Amino acid sequence: EVKLVESGGGLVQPGGSLRLSCATSGFTFSDFYMEWVRQPPGKRLEWIAASRNKANDYTTEYSASVKGRFIVSRDTSQSILYLQMNALRAEDTAIYYCARAATEGFAYWGQGTLVTVSA
Amino acid sequence: EIVLTQSPTTMAASPGEKITITCSASSSISSNYLHWYQQKPGFSPKLLIYRTSNLASGVPARFSGSGSGTSYSLTIGTMEAEDVATYYCQQGSSIPLTFGSGTKLEIK
Repeated sequence: EVKLVESGGGLVQPGGSLRLSCATSGFTFSDFYMEWVRQPPGKRLEWIAASRNKANDYTTEYSASVKGRFIVSRDTSQSILYLQMNALRAEDTAIYYCARAATEGFAYWGQGTLVTVSA
Repeated sequence: EIVLTQSPTTMAASPGEKITITCSASSSISSNYLHWYQQKPGFSPKLLIYRTSNLASGVPARFSGSGSGTSYSLTIGTMEAEDVATYYCQQGSSIPLTFGSGTKLEIK
């Protein structure tokens, strides 16, 4: 069974940092693209980062809204996806989801973790 | 960036009613990279339809999708109470990946 479990969310002050984790199981982690998607309260889904698979050298992509502040990485030995978030702003407040991607879309999602950026 | 605009933004349907949600793209998308998600309040999104017209595992047959180029649609053949949710289209054709503005479906 495919499982994705996010953790690491919480309350952080503007300018602060936070690292989110997405623990995965039930599939070969290195074979799949992995994505981070966020959803501000009451708003639409927003894709923010991608980590390509091993065949594509785990290269990464970012949305303009987080590029230069967020870093996506993997611990392949433990099948964990990370999102290091720096220089956080109030507008980064959202539920953050990790998702497993394929040409068939984002078939698997975690339960999400809430990040609140506030003084 | 490919902008996806959905309509309507909100709609209410009676049980048994047929409903259609549209997704309009600012640039042409390959139909292989247009997907639909259902999100119920308090839950993660769920893949509903992939590659424009393919039902994801476990999705009832009353859901269907179609389209090409810049115009796509999601249809529910007969509305049921459990279909109350927000629906999003998503394109995987180009970076940045983008989601539609969402359509909130309520029941009358």
